[in-house]
Amino acid sequence: GESVGLHLPTLSVQEGDNSIINCAYSNSASDYFIWYKQESGKGPQFIIDIRSNMDKRQGQRVTVLLNKTVKHLSLQIAATQPGDSAVYFCAENSGGSNYKLTFGKGTLLTVNP
Amino acid sequence: DAGITQSPRHKVTETGTPVTLRCHQTENHRYMYWYRQDPGHGLRLIHYSYGVKDTDKGEVSDGYSVSRSKTEDFLLTLESATSSQTSVYFCAISETSGVGETQYFGPGTRLLVL
Repeated sequence: GESVGLHLPTLSVQEGDNSIINCAYSNSASDYFIWYKQESGKGPQFIIDIRSNMDKRQGQRVTVLLNKTVKHLSLQIAATQPGDSAVYFCAENSGGSNYKLTFGKGTLLTVNP
Repeated sequence: DAGITQSPRHKVTETGTPVTLRCHQTENHRYMYWYRQDPGHGLRLIHYSYGVKDTDKGEVSDGYSVSRSKTEDFLLTLESATSSQTSVYFCAISETSGVGETQYFGPGTRLLVL
């Protein structure tokens, strides 16, 4: 999918439901992963991160799960609110680099009131 | 927002003209980055800097140059703008989070090249 707007994978949920957004990462050598939220017309906003020696990490209303076996990352948002409507994308440190990231194209989350 | 500002926020220019975008940060971060964001692509790295006068190319550096003469400012220059450089440009800094080196982004510059 595209990075903002057109032809992105989309997820539509009802307010109050839980949302799960998925990401497949590309490099088995990557050991650090981040989820970002991007609202229309704004810059990406850091949500939560996780290292490869973790399976799960929780923040405020968000949980990130990492499955290294299948190179899969997911973001769970509890009790989704209209303000959660945005594009969400994952990033991985490029093959283990400390300072360079590779970004996914994103999923558009729409929360219906 | 990690103290990052970008200027201008919007710009319309004509093909063949030079354009300079500015990224300013107030927290003395060593690493700074320029990305472009286009439909159909994730954020793509143009150039990055790891210190004053220390810069390196990213994956889409052709047609762009950068300069960093002081820690707080990272400039991106399009020497001769082309329509393919119409995009949204984001600056970012790297900062240690709880578990790694996270990047935080500025608000972006929307550039239209006619």
